[in-house]
Amino acid sequence: DTAVSQTPKYLVTQMGNDKSIKCEQNLGHDTMYWYKQDSKKFLKIMFSYNNKELIINETVPNRFSPKSPDKAHLNLHINSLELGDSAVYFCASSLGGNEKLFFGSGTQLSVL
Amino acid sequence: AQKITQTQPGMFVQEKEAVTLDCTYDTSDQSYGLFWYKQPSSGEMIFLIYQGSYDEQNATEGRYSLNFQKARKSANLVISASQLGDSAMYFCAMRPPYSSASKIIFGSGTRLSIRP
Repeated sequence: DTAVSQTPKYLVTQMGNDKSIKCEQNLGHDTMYWYKQDSKKFLKIMFSYNNKELIINETVPNRFSPKSPDKAHLNLHINSLELGDSAVYFCASSLGGNEKLFFGSGTQLSVL
Repeated sequence: AQKITQTQPGMFVQEKEAVTLDCTYDTSDQSYGLFWYKQPSSGEMIFLIYQGSYDEQNATEGRYSLNFQKARKSANLVISASQLGDSAMYFCAMRPPYSSASKIIFGSGTRLSIRP
């Protein structure tokens, strides 16, 4: 039983395309996140949702649109993909706003 | 603003030796928490250990211990008797006081390589 699962694991696409990454957690957590890890391995928070409500939006271009249909799901849609969007995107969840994070396995996005 | 600093981009250690990974932080809050995560080459992020700012004792989890020095604002990870499987990136992270808008921030990481 995977606690935090995200799909797909790899995503290779052309510049200008639109793509989505899906995330689901079965831990009963109320807070979910998207983090971006760049090529230098630096991890930066993008979004946080608490009980389906957007709590944190960290100066991310509005081409990125998260959606949380319920507490267990948080999806990330990216419009008009750019070369600089290539990175590993991690979904994570926690019980409460600042308890330890449980991470998904990451989605390696490559924009060509 | 909070900040996490890991000054060792990379380290090499002989198998079975102990290793200390440095982490310093900057915050004006009195209540906060510190985490360490491991990221092996397979890419997943694995939680290792947690220390709360009010915890009186240093946290330990098996071979991992956290050397918490509050006055110096440091939270170094100590791995005893290192193993080849410990080769990975290690990230220090900090959470601020609780609020619905709080966020966990990460340091830049240390790549640890264990030599056989």
